[in-house]
Amino acid sequence: EIVLTQSPATLSLSPGERATLSCRASQSVSNRYLAWYQQKPGQTPRLLIFGASSRATGIPDRFSGSGSETDFTLTIGRLEPEDFAVYYCQQYGRSPLTFGGGTKVEIK
Amino acid sequence: QLQLQESGPGRVEPSETLSLICTVSGGSISSSNYYWAWIRQPPGKGPEWIGTIYYSGLAYYNPSLESRATISVDTSENQFSLKLISVTAADTAFYYCTRGMWELRPFSPFEYWGQGTPVTVSS
Repeated sequence: EIVLTQSPATLSLSPGERATLSCRASQSVSNRYLAWYQQKPGQTPRLLIFGASSRATGIPDRFSGSGSETDFTLTIGRLEPEDFAVYYCQQYGRSPLTFGGGTKVEIK
Repeated sequence: QLQLQESGPGRVEPSETLSLICTVSGGSISSSNYYWAWIRQPPGKGPEWIGTIYYSGLAYYNPSLESRATISVDTSENQFSLKLISVTAADTAFYYCTRGMWELRPFSPFEYWGQGTPVTVSS
């Protein structure tokens, strides 16, 4: 099983700042099959990024993903008030599909 | 617009069987080549993949739950379901039904999600 470790657990930032979230895999994620989701309190996870760097439909370009093999990053260029949420990475390259434990981006 | 809706009891007693149904609207399970999945999320934790099914009945499971979970599909009702036997408090979670992003790919990002249904295991 590929274990995904996200860091930091909590990121305290102000609106307008840049957010950098990390997702580290215990084994190489084949073909960069790595996705990122955003989840706000009481809401369903929303797909942001797939294939490590491709934005899903309707996702603003301030969200960008990068990385390969075992190290992946989600960057939010300039935080908008609606971006404060929990973010999860997920690998779909090998069964069982696994998710990270999440990074909470909170208002400083 | 594709919509998924979970239904089932909010509480299940320990050692009993959890049964959930996902009703799909805005699209047909049997006339598409997508895969459908169940995911759960314990309180305050990250999501956990339970398993994935194709309209033909072909299913894939998380090995950690495979001995207790069964996912099935009812194309006549445009539904798929989850049964989890011998539940314990560790099975308390929000349960979501989802659809994969790409046709003919059992493992893909989850693009469509139901609203989720909370399940508590307690007596």
